[in-house]
Amino acid sequence: NAGVTQTPKFQVLKTGQSMTLQCAQDMNHNSMYWYRQDPGMGLRLIYYSASEGTTDKGEVPNGYNVSRLNKREFSLRLESAAPSQTSVYFCASSREIGDEQYFGPGTRLTVT
Amino acid sequence: KQEVTQIPAALSVPEGENLVLNCSFTDSAIYNLQWFRQDPGKGLTSLLLIQSSQREQTSGRLNASLDKSSGRSTLYIAASQPGDSATYLCAVRHSDRDDKIIFGKGTRLHILP
Repeated sequence: NAGVTQTPKFQVLKTGQSMTLQCAQDMNHNSMYWYRQDPGMGLRLIYYSASEGTTDKGEVPNGYNVSRLNKREFSLRLESAAPSQTSVYFCASSREIGDEQYFGPGTRLTVT
Repeated sequence: KQEVTQIPAALSVPEGENLVLNCSFTDSAIYNLQWFRQDPGKGLTSLLLIQSSQREQTSGRLNASLDKSSGRSTLYIAASQPGDSATYLCAVRHSDRDDKIIFGKGTRLHILP
């Protein structure tokens, strides 16, 4: 039981490049989330998916898109990366909305 | 707008002591509150989840309390150990239809051997 897994662990992008962060969970959870963590700002919700087939904006959605590919997988896409998107990105999942959240190990992204 | 505050930002305590970490929130209409620990360079590990109808939750040496009316939660750690050194975060979920969780910035705890 791997829990929540994220790939890649580290990534360096140039401004304007695109990339997709992958997240998968094997706990049969319905809800999944993407957060970013910045020094002095704490964790902020980017997007979430209450259930397969639905996605909703969080606190800081601009510059990102998401896809809930199936119940297990929830990806985060940066279409045109900007230095302001340098951050650590965490994926999380919960059985249902409002339940205890379980986090992945994070992806450290640097945009130069 | 909900704001979650954790004071102090950092705390050093000798091994063996009992300690309390604080979390305060401005809007008492919460659905639940969750405490996490985060080790350097790692993800978050859930410690305790308190529903709005509950006053406290316990797990081993950890006890979390919730006082909605005063907008406060505390995490009590008994008989602290060096392995407890980490950053502790609290997160509040609103009781409205959106699942938008607001995190505090955390308390960085260092247990001195």
